Amino acid sequence: GAGVSQTPSNKVTEKGKYVELRCDPISGHTALYWYRQSLGQGPEFLIYFQGTGAADDSGLPNDRFFAVRPEGSVSTLKIQRTERGDSAVYLCASSAGGLTGANVLTFGAGSRLTVL
Amino acid sequence: AQSVAQPEDQVNVAEGNPLTVKCTYSVSGNPYLFWYVQYPNRGLQFLLKYITGDNLVKGSYGFEAEFNKSQTSFHLKKPSALVSDSALYFCAVSGNTGGFKTIFGAGTRLFVKA
Repeated sequence: GAGVSQTPSNKVTEKGKYVELRCDPISGHTALYWYRQSLGQGPEFLIYFQGTGAADDSGLPNDRFFAVRPEGSVSTLKIQRTERGDSAVYLCASSAGGLTGANVLTFGAGSRLTVL
Repeated sequence: AQSVAQPEDQVNVAEGNPLTVKCTYSVSGNPYLFWYVQYPNRGLQFLLKYITGDNLVKGSYGFEAEFNKSQTSFHLKKPSALVSDSALYFCAVSGNTGGFKTIFGAGTRLFVKA
């Protein structure tokens, strides 16, 4: 597609529920990143995919968070047993670069998650 | 582990005046440095990057940044600010060894007054 697409744009859920957030990267981009941005803070790194594999998942806060990218394109971030502290904007970014820190990231508009 | 510090929560400048938004970093090995901008109700956009070579890098919308290795800084500058430059600016760093994730600072809000 023309840009990075994230769905849903807004998600309101109740504490304890399961949530999936989807990211559709720019066509042909092999690198895909998930970040979390809380109000007044910078994006917090969660996970980085190169192709289908997670090159770095050191930012996932705990085992309630999991992400997949089974065909090397669309990615889904999955959050189990949501907590109020999970409320944030979840950002996805993609890049055409390889396994390097020099990649320029193109971000989507984000998925705003609110846990009541 | 890499980290980024943006010491100013907010920078205020009058239109037409020069602006500087500060950033310092910490990373093992040689750094890759970036500036991104976030306008209201819009996604993060890339402004410029330093990978190697000339310490002064030029980017979009007339912005530039200077890499200073001894001071571990990468300050964002513009000679003449515009009201439309008002936005949230993020400095980011990644390394070229080990993990390749990009780490962002907390952001600096720039207000340009007419």
